[in-house]
Amino acid sequence: DIQMTQSPSTLSASVGDRVTITCRASQSFTSRLAWYRQKPGKAPELLIYEASVLRSAVPSRFSGTGSGTEFTLTISSLQPDDFATFYCQQYDSFPFTFGPGTKVDIK
Amino acid sequence: QVQLVESGGDVVKPGGSLRLTCAASGFTFNDYSMTWIRQTPGKGLEWVSYISRSGSSIYYADSVKGRFTISRDNTKNSVYLQMNSLRAEDTAMYYCARLEYYYDHWGQGALVTVSS
Repeated sequence: DIQMTQSPSTLSASVGDRVTITCRASQSFTSRLAWYRQKPGKAPELLIYEASVLRSAVPSRFSGTGSGTEFTLTISSLQPDDFATFYCQQYDSFPFTFGPGTKVDIK
Repeated sequence: QVQLVESGGDVVKPGGSLRLTCAASGFTFNDYSMTWIRQTPGKGLEWVSYISRSGSSIYYADSVKGRFTISRDNTKNSVYLQMNSLRAEDTAMYYCARLEYYYDHWGQGALVTVSS
């Protein structure tokens, strides 16, 4: 199975900050990576797929890059809705696996 | 709009059984594979089971193999998870999710608590 790690595990930031989350894979793959945001008490919601493709209706402050074993999610200007936990997930190799999450909280 | 609604979550004793149902609407159900994913505070998000569009291909995580059974009824736009021989470590929020390689739609979740 491909193991996914994320850093940092927790991040303290303020509204308007630029935030970057890193996801690393135990094996290399091209772009089959998705990012999700999970607000407290809610199900995860898809933000980005194919490492960099923004899902329809997702705000443009979110962007994703990367390939191989390192991927990043950037939020250009943190909004109140973004105080949440973010997960990466690979779908290159079955079973599709998630990272442990990065919690973004208020500084 | 796409909706996935789970039901059947409950408190059950170790060794007990439970059946979760996920009712889908807003899309052509038999065009999509479906999955169950669970979430615990300790282990994060864990894929549990997968079923193909027709139900002909089924996979399970090693942690539930032999105890859980996934099925679907395309006439009822529903996917099911029969959970037997439940253990304390199966305690989790269980989500059904539509699979488009990535999980593009999720239900609100069904809470399963295994406790004596």
